[in-house]
Amino acid sequence: TQLLEQSPQFLSIQEGENLTVYCNSSSVFSSLQWYRQEPGEGPVLLVTVVTGGEVKKLKRLTFQFGDARKDSSLHITAAQPGDTGLYLCAAHSGSGNTGKLIFGQGTTLQVKP
Amino acid sequence: EPEVTQTPSHQVTQMGQEVILRCVPISNHLYFYWYRQILGQKVEFLVSFYNNEISEKSEIFDDQFSVERPDGSNFTLKIRSTKLEDSAMYFCASTRQINQPQHFGDGTRLSIL
Repeated sequence: TQLLEQSPQFLSIQEGENLTVYCNSSSVFSSLQWYRQEPGEGPVLLVTVVTGGEVKKLKRLTFQFGDARKDSSLHITAAQPGDTGLYLCAAHSGSGNTGKLIFGQGTTLQVKP
Repeated sequence: EPEVTQTPSHQVTQMGQEVILRCVPISNHLYFYWYRQILGQKVEFLVSFYNNEISEKSEIFDDQFSVERPDGSNFTLKIRSTKLEDSAMYFCASTRQINQPQHFGDGTRLSIL
């Protein structure tokens, strides 16, 4: 069974601090996606990483895909209250080739002003 | 920007009753999915649908569940006889190509009493 493990599960920080969220697996994935979910809404795609070692930047967010394509990280620089939300990593399951996604359990981020 | 829409946003139903959750995927998408998220747990895959038939279903998707795309635009999830443990957020997602990012609706919160 393919699993994605996210850490930490909860993070409460002050505005301006930096943070890193991790997404780990023992499985190799062809790509990995990061979503952000706000209360009462569905997950919204932030980025897809495809190549081992790839680094993608989205303003103050930096996403990295591990060289072996088994893990990924999300780093936020100078966090702001607007970054508060649930961050999910997800990957296409290797079985069945139907495009189904498996998700990590999520990291709840609270940024206090 | 086109989006996936889901109705209703909240459904409260007595145990044993049938419910139908509705989704309108993005119009030129070909692959459709239902996921659920029990409060405090990870997003779980339920079923994938392509070319008017189920392509994959999870262990959760038992005989009480069914999906339909009756008119080429709506994509519905029916639970025949609801149980307390069916209480969850149900998300519909769609994509144009398999293994491409999926677009999620804002979900239906299903509460079984």
